[in-house]
Amino acid sequence: KAGVTQTPRYLIKTRGQQVTLSCSPISGHRSVSWYQQTPGQGLQFLFEYFSETQRNKGNFPGRFSGRQFSNSRSEMNVSTLELGDSALYLCASSSGRARETQYFGPGTRLLVL
Amino acid sequence: TQLLEQSPQFLSIQEGENLTVYCNSSSVFSSLQWYRQEPGEGPVLLVTVVTGGEVKKLKRLTFQFGDARKDSSLHITAAQPGDTGLYLCAGPANTGNQFYFGTGTSLTVIP
Repeated sequence: KAGVTQTPRYLIKTRGQQVTLSCSPISGHRSVSWYQQTPGQGLQFLFEYFSETQRNKGNFPGRFSGRQFSNSRSEMNVSTLELGDSALYLCASSSGRARETQYFGPGTRLLVL
Repeated sequence: TQLLEQSPQFLSIQEGENLTVYCNSSSVFSSLQWYRQEPGEGPVLLVTVVTGGEVKKLKRLTFQFGDARKDSSLHITAAQPGDTGLYLCAGPANTGNQFYFGTGTSLTVIP
């Protein structure tokens, strides 16, 4: 089985721009969760999508949004980028059953200048 | 406030030494997971412990879940340079599919 893939792997943006990140889960997995990882805050949960619906949401501002398509691929969008949004954005896929094992992708490294 | 606290935050040891990493919480978790993350990659699941008092071994790695299911430890015997990485513990929220991650322990094993 192919693993979780994320594109792009690296991205440089400037303040005020917006960005879209993509995640393709493991085949057959219906749940995609997004996390932000920074040296200061560690891994923090952004949101989870299951069957095209946002099922769970962390404590991030509305500038962070996402969606999931019928093939379970997910995108995350960040609008009006701030310097503090620089981070590694990870997505994790799972079957969707509660507390099932999550498999992480390699992440997208976003740098906001 | 982090739900899961890990200690130590940083650890640098010589090859062949033993070490223990701790993951503590004031909350009870139905299970805890341990991940290892290498630079530029996503976390990779090492083990899941689900029963209070459970001990699991993965070659030179020994994982223990506390009796009260509020803490866990990871013990590495005879550490090797390939063990270098960021070790993360994670526990599920009571509902949904959200996981809380620990603060992480960055391990460096010097040859």
